[in-house]
Amino acid sequence: ETGVTQSPTHLIKTRGQQVTLRCSSQSGHNTVSWYQQALGQGPQFIFQYYREEENGRGNFPPRFSGLQFPNYSSELNVNALELDDSALYLCASSLEGPKTQYFGPGTRLLVL
Amino acid sequence: GNSVTQMEGPVTLSEEAFLTINCTYTATGYPSLFWYVQYPGEGLQLLLKATKADDKGSNKGFEATYRKETTSFHLEKGSVQVSDSAVYFCALSETIQGAQKLVFGQGTRLTINP
Repeated sequence: ETGVTQSPTHLIKTRGQQVTLRCSSQSGHNTVSWYQQALGQGPQFIFQYYREEENGRGNFPPRFSGLQFPNYSSELNVNALELDDSALYLCASSLEGPKTQYFGPGTRLLVL
Repeated sequence: GNSVTQMEGPVTLSEEAFLTINCTYTATGYPSLFWYVQYPGEGLQLLLKATKADDKGSNKGFEATYRKETTSFHLEKGSVQVSDSAVYFCALSETIQGAQKLVFGQGTRLTINP
C-alpha cells in the first residue's frame, strides 16, 4: 500500500509569485485535504476535495485554490505569494465521510 | 467554533519516565479525537484515536481516553524512550460545508534525555 506523497519537498519563491504543490493520495482514498502549518503552530485547514470538487474551505483567501484529478491526486495553487505564506503545506488523504486522515511528509515553502 | 487546547511545552523527561500531555477540547456534539505525532522534518503520523465517549485509543505504548465529562483526551505513556522525542498534536474532527476537517492544538514538543 502506497502512502501519501507530496512534491516538491522544499521550495523557495519570492513575493508576488505563484506556486503549485502536488499530492498523491494513499491507494484507495478518494478525498484529499490540504493544511498549512506555520512554524511552531498546529496545522490549519485550507480546503478539502472530493470527486474533483471543493466540498469545504477554511479561513483562507481565494488566492489559495486547488484541483483534484480523476485519479484522486490533487494540487494546491497559491497566487500572489506573501511572506506569511511561508509554511509547511500538508496534504492528507482519506475515504469520504468521517474517516481518519493520513498525512504526507509535506512541502516546505519559503517566500522571500 | 470548536477548539483544542494542549499543555504548553516544551516537555523534557528522562528515559523511562511517565508521560502525560494534557489536551482539552471545546466542541458541539461529540467529535472524534486524535493524537498525531510529528518527528523532526516530517509530516504528521496518526498515533491513536477515539470516536466516542469512554473509548480508549492505544498504540506503541501510548494511551488516551475520551472523557466527555471533562472534555479531555490526555495522552499517557508509562515509560518513554529517546525515540519518542517529537512534537505531539491533539486534534478533533468537525464538519464544515460537508467536509470533515481536523482542528489541531498548538502542539507539545517532547524531548527525552537518555
